[in-house]
Amino acid sequence: AQSVAQPEDQVNVAEGNPLTVKCTYSVSGNPYLFWYVQYPNRGLQFLLKYITGDNLVKGSYGFEAEFNKSQTSFHLKKPSALVSDSALYFCAVRDTNAGKSTFGDGTTLTVKP
Amino acid sequence: DAMVIQNPRYQVTQFGKPVTLSCSQTLNHNVMYWYQQKSSQAPKLLFHYYDKDFNNEADTPDNFQSRRPNTSFCFLDIRSPGLGDAAMYLCATSYSSASSYEQYFGPGTRLTVT
Repeated sequence: AQSVAQPEDQVNVAEGNPLTVKCTYSVSGNPYLFWYVQYPNRGLQFLLKYITGDNLVKGSYGFEAEFNKSQTSFHLKKPSALVSDSALYFCAVRDTNAGKSTFGDGTTLTVKP
Repeated sequence: DAMVIQNPRYQVTQFGKPVTLSCSQTLNHNVMYWYQQKSSQAPKLLFHYYDKDFNNEADTPDNFQSRRPNTSFCFLDIRSPGLGDAAMYLCATSYSSASSYEQYFGPGTRLTVT
């Protein structure tokens, strides 16, 4: 079985400050991990993924995420937040033996000017 | 640009009146998914096609069916929509490989049931 948790429903940061959106996961095999962003009334948009290799992965719009196997975490980060980063963020996990991904409940990020 | 297209973007149907939502893709991906999303919640997987193989989720109501006539197109049929079926329906695609699996989503179809 696979599962993913996003412990924060909402994250608020000031523009220009660093942001972190948290994600932890549980899988029986090796994880494939993903972050997606959703703007209002739109579909989800792929940001970045971890499959294997370097624990720090970089993605679209200046976002990055760090895979931590011992803590089973894959937190999304950005050094300097923009107001336009305000959106709903979903973490997803896929076990290497699974045929589908499981999504977290989402975290609403609000960046204030 | 390669993309996932959903039509229509907004659909209004009456209680019990069948409705079909469509999805097409130009990415040539072999896997297609249908999700239901309510009120900014996590997308709920209804079913997916791995090539021509249909995979239904155990908790997907029988009221929901799907067709994939070819690689590019996939349809979601709701035979008798209820008020509880009002939601955003998202189509997604992915290419199944050892270094891939990320999904590419269409803009969604917002279904209203009156």
